[in-house]
Amino acid sequence: NAGVTQTPKFQVLKTGQSMTLQCAQDMNHEYMSWYRQDPGMGLRLIHYSVGAGITDQGEVPNGYNVSRSTTEDFPLRLLSAAPSQTSVYFCASSYSRDSGNTIYFGEGSWLTVV
Amino acid sequence: GQQVMQIPQYQHVQEGEDFTTYCNSSTTLSNIQWYKQRPGGHPVFLIQLVKSGEVKKQKRLTFQFGEAKKNSSLHITATQTTDVGTYFCAGRVRGSRLTFGEGTQLTVNP
Repeated sequence: NAGVTQTPKFQVLKTGQSMTLQCAQDMNHEYMSWYRQDPGMGLRLIHYSVGAGITDQGEVPNGYNVSRSTTEDFPLRLLSAAPSQTSVYFCASSYSRDSGNTIYFGEGSWLTVV
Repeated sequence: GQQVMQIPQYQHVQEGEDFTTYCNSSTTLSNIQWYKQRPGGHPVFLIQLVKSGEVKKQKRLTFQFGEAKKNSSLHITATQTTDVGTYFCAGRVRGSRLTFGEGTQLTVNP
């Protein structure tokens, strides 16, 4: 059971480039989300999805797009990378958005924008 | 909006000393979760507290949820080097999304 799989693990981008961080889960979870983690700021929610075809903005959505065409996949797109988007990105999933559901995190993607 | 504050931001202890991190919310929470993130790793779920005044233990870790459901704590007795990492609380207000605290980074000197 792979859980939540993220790729790539490391990426260096030039300012203005675009890229997609891939995320897949094999637990048939309805709820998937993307967080970014910056020193001293904890985990901040970028976008989330409560099911296939449904996405919504989190706390820090600007500069990112998501889509959820299948239950398993939830890619995060950076449209035009900026140095402020240098961060560690975590994809996460849970059975549903409701209280009581454990969140399972991927191993993270370290992104540097130069 | 909902805020979850966590203190301290950093804690350095000698192996064998106790450690406590505190989580405070500006609003009443429906539940609170705790996660541990090892250096270079990803957050891993530890426990969830739901009831007012609830106390749960996992070996040397004791988790408490305040009577007013606005605060929580994680206490580690006799720390070991394997306890190194960042501990996050995450609270949820009913009908809203989970909000993470900033985390407490624990280092343990052997």
